[in-house]
Amino acid sequence: DTGVSQNPRHKITKRGQNVTFRCDPISEHNRLYWYRQTLGQGPEFLTYFQNEAQLEKSRLLSDRFSAERPKGSFSTLEIQRTEQGDSAMYLCASSLWAGKGHTDTQYFGPGTRLTVL
Amino acid sequence: GESVGLHLPTLSVQGGDNSIINCAYSNSASDYFIWYKQESGKGPQFIIDIRSNMDKRQGQRVTVLLNKTVKHLSLQIAATQPGDSAVYFCAEMGADSSYKLIFGSGTRLLVRP
Repeated sequence: DTGVSQNPRHKITKRGQNVTFRCDPISEHNRLYWYRQTLGQGPEFLTYFQNEAQLEKSRLLSDRFSAERPKGSFSTLEIQRTEQGDSAMYLCASSLWAGKGHTDTQYFGPGTRLTVL
Repeated sequence: GESVGLHLPTLSVQGGDNSIINCAYSNSASDYFIWYKQESGKGPQFIIDIRSNMDKRQGQRVTVLLNKTVKHLSLQIAATQPGDSAVYFCAEMGADSSYKLIFGSGTRLLVRP
């Protein structure tokens, strides 16, 4: 399967702990996106990268959240000092952006479900 | 697994019938739209997309219609099958020169055997 992969699929942690999630995009996709989804809602944008550059961050992304894509391939999303409100599904998507005027079709991974106790 | 779509509008159809799922998008300046299907415990799956310079696009068993005048999208599924049961989301992009997707509230499609 050459789709977007995410690890772990599930994470249970205690409040105050740090967690890190990994996303491996579709091979050769230059853009990588992070979204968060809570029960009954559509995904909400967090941040995205083009190659290794982080181009946009949502106001939802508090100082406790940090994302990296050091070599322009896989990405990690870290949440420090987790809170119960961080419990959600964290989704990663990737796209092959061909430049301005082209569409940016995003393909999603299976997500990492975080539960903060 | 993850329960997606609690308290969402639900469309129940008989297997074999056609389904129409509607979506109102938020920004008249959005120029790209995508429909996603999400099954319980899985990430959103791309179904079909359309750019704002079109008003209709067809795929295999699916058609998307775009009405920019009233900011409305619809997804038509022909000969609905049990495997089509899922939550469907529309998403828009491009209103503020951003590439982030803005998702609408989803619709749960239930296909009766």
